Amino acid sequence: GENVEQHPSTLSVQEGDSAVIKCTYSDSASNYFPWYKQELGKRPQLIIDIRSNVGEKKDQRIAVTLNKTAKHFSLHITETQPEDSAVYFCAVSGGGADGLTFGKGTHLIIQP
Amino acid sequence: SQTIHQWPATLVQPVGSPLSLECTVEGTSNPNLYWYRQAAGRGLQLLFYSVGIGQISSEVPQNLSASRPQDRQFILSSKKLLLSDSGFYLCAWSVGRGPGGGVFGSGTRLTVV
Repeated sequence: GENVEQHPSTLSVQEGDSAVIKCTYSDSASNYFPWYKQELGKRPQLIIDIRSNVGEKKDQRIAVTLNKTAKHFSLHITETQPEDSAVYFCAVSGGGADGLTFGKGTHLIIQP
Repeated sequence: SQTIHQWPATLVQPVGSPLSLECTVEGTSNPNLYWYRQAAGRGLQLLFYSVGIGQISSEVPQNLSASRPQDRQFILSSKKLLLSDSGFYLCAWSVGRGPGGGVFGSGTRLTVV
């Protein structure tokens, strides 16, 4: 089955700096790559996603890049703010009905 | 608009007791439905998914079972809970050939004591 590795497990950055979280996956047939933000005690919320026919996607301060050859994708957050502090999860899917495989999460801490 | 309801929000159950968690979706027909579990401080693990009434696929062997008695209802059950069943249980849905189960309900935090 699919295997998703996410790094780092904890990331501390100064407010205003950029943060980058990376994930690798094993199944070359995977074609959907979402990122989720989870605040303490709450459900994961989709913040951005990318499909395998696109190399990069941006939404304001958030961007995701995909390298299908190397089987890795990354989340980039620029100009970080205190409200960006949360746990971020990457996930992978083959695009069908059989669910998402998640990474173990990154605890992002924004230092004031 | 589509909404997903999940209850109860929190549950404390003794070891060996039964479990029933319910999830319903509104505003859509024939959704794909999913149960995920998140252990404390960990990622999400897919437990079951269903593409239609009575159709259940299990991803991992475990002490739990799932049923889909109606199109927009998905139930997670256990006959006898174990301590290791504690966690945050999340129902999710997607429609048609959309990516699997990426819109989550509010979750049930289960503590087995």
